[in-house]
Amino acid sequence: ELKVEQNPLFLSMQEGKNYTIYCNYSTTSDRLYWYRQDPGKSLESLFVLLSNGAVKQEGRLMASLDTKARLSTLHITAAVHDLSATYFCAVAHSGRDDKIIFGKGTRLHILP
Amino acid sequence: DSGVTQTPKHLITATGQRVTLRCSPRSGDLSVYWYQQSLDQGLQFLIHYYNGEERAKGNILERFSAQQFPDLHSELNLSSLELGDSALYFCASGGTGTPPFTGELFFGEGSRLTVL
Repeated sequence: ELKVEQNPLFLSMQEGKNYTIYCNYSTTSDRLYWYRQDPGKSLESLFVLLSNGAVKQEGRLMASLDTKARLSTLHITAAVHDLSATYFCAVAHSGRDDKIIFGKGTRLHILP
Repeated sequence: DSGVTQTPKHLITATGQRVTLRCSPRSGDLSVYWYQQSLDQGLQFLIHYYNGEERAKGNILERFSAQQFPDLHSELNLSSLELGDSALYFCASGGTGTPPFTGELFFGEGSRLTVL
């Protein structure tokens, strides 16, 4: 059974600091997603990572994937208040059934 | 706007009742996923349909059922509702080819169900 673990689950940080959110998963996967969710809103796609060593960057966010370690990271550089949100990783289960399983999310609170 | 349309946006009903949530995927997308998000919880995978066929089931209760129609829209039916079924229900669509697809998964705005 595919399990996805994120840590930390809650993160409060100062503006201008750097931090990393970790996403570990339990079985082989061929793709990994990162999403952002604001309170009461839908999920906004941030990144799709398809291969080992994949790295994608958008603004102050950078995501990477290590399929051998079954680990993805979302790195935040010089955080700003607007990045306060909940961030989810989601992992696709390799195989015919094509389940996509989400982690519990990391609630990020950036203090001005 | 993701292009995924969910209706209704809000629904209030009583325990024991039955509701139907509807999802229209983005034009051309063949896969529809349903998720349940309870208060302060992550997203629980319910079910995945591809081009009208059920592909995978998650932790979906027997009281819940879903289908995807020939026009690719999908419906999630929730019956014998309980207080604990109150949640935000999302559908997501993606994939124009045979799974597994490698593109993005786009989420609708969700249907917020309140069971009193």
